[in-house]
This record gives sequence, C-alpha cells and structure tokens, in this order.
Amino acid sequence: ETGVTQTPRHLVMGMTNKKSLKCEQHLGHNAMYWYKQSAKKPLELMFVYSLEERVENNSVPSRFSPECPNSSHLFLHLHTLQPEDSALYLCASSQGAASTDTQYFGPGTRLTVL
Amino acid sequence: DAKTTQPPSMDCAEGRAANLPCNHSTISGNEYVYWYRQIHSQGPQYIIHGLKNNETNEMASLIITEDRKSSTLILPHATLRDTAVYYCIVRAQGAQKLVFGQGTRLTINP
Repeated sequence: ETGVTQTPRHLVMGMTNKKSLKCEQHLGHNAMYWYKQSAKKPLELMFVYSLEERVENNSVPSRFSPECPNSSHLFLHLHTLQPEDSALYLCASSQGAASTDTQYFGPGTRLTVL
Repeated sequence: DAKTTQPPSMDCAEGRAANLPCNHSTISGNEYVYWYRQIHSQGPQYIIHGLKNNETNEMASLIITEDRKSSTLILPHATLRDTAVYYCIVRAQGAQKLVFGQGTRLTINP
C-alpha cells in the first residue's frame, strides 16, 4: 500500500464510450502524474500536475483529458478511444515535481478498448 | 537523461543475496540513480535512490561506483515475493518524469 489508490482497477469500454479513471493520494503530495504502460513497452509519461496546474503534456492525443481538481485527486477522462489505447494506466504522486522528489505509484487501471 | 543498461533477466536462489547491476556510463554529476521494481501488472514500487554515496534502507542497498558509471542494487536475502522486473533509472536535474527502460526480470527460485 503506497498511499495512492486508483479506481477502477479494471475497465472494458467500447470505442464510443466515455469513461473516467480516478486517482487519489493520501500522502499530502503536491504533484501527480499519469503514465501509460502498453504491453511489452516501457512506461510512458502522459501528464504532470504540480499544485493543480498542468506542467507537462507529452504529446498525448486529445481523446485523453486530464483533470486535477485539487492536490489529492487526479482524473483521466477518456472518450472515443482506439483499441491500441488498451494498456495499464498508472497514477503517481510526489511531494513536488522536482527531480529529487520520489514518485509513488498506484496499482494501476487495466483498460481494454474493444 | 542518461541511458541505462541492465541485463534482461537474472535468476537467484531464495535466501541468497540478489545483486542487480546497472551501467550508466553517461551519467552527469547532478543526476540521481533510482531503482524501482514492478511485480506483474502492478504499479512500480520505489526501492531506493542515491547520488554518490552508497545507500541502504529496509528493502535494499545501493552501491554506486566511485566514477558513478555503474551501480548495483542488492537484495540481501531474496524471497519469492522479490520476483519482479527491476528498473534502474537515471533522473536528470530538473526532470519531472521517470524514464523507464526494459529493466531486469529477476526470478527468485525456491
């Protein structure tokens, strides 16, 4: 238990659905991250939020829309996804967004797009 | 970010020390070495990190060579639950992201 929770743990959706992934951290951290891990590929950073402001967006398609309403919660809104978007989506948090701040990961949401 | 090189897989007997090597010959002076592990289909778990000095915590020890071009993660008494993919990551000064490579798949055998 890292203090970072993600729901749902598993999600199956069609290409026309709209769904949201939720992440919550109980560590008092100020920075939160979304990563994507596709099969047989390394983790890829998608978004970084620091003090509820988006500070990095790694050329992620607009069908992925993040939201950070406060420093404890992070959402990833999904719409019109493609089958190749099926992956493990991981949330992480850290005290700040500096290079010396250790990131702690949640358990992930396994997403399958049909 | 400096590139890291790790063996793709390793085996270790239960109860023995597991020594996982990592080469990072292009590391610069202000870059930290981080180790994470990922048990199948779970989120990565932070293990340890260091800059120049050797580090130890309740999970592992990190030995960094004097020239900082390589490091070794040591799990002193490996158990079956230590079976995972271990990632060595060099994190640049000011970098917000962790750049994960392919890691080392460590299998602990009974």
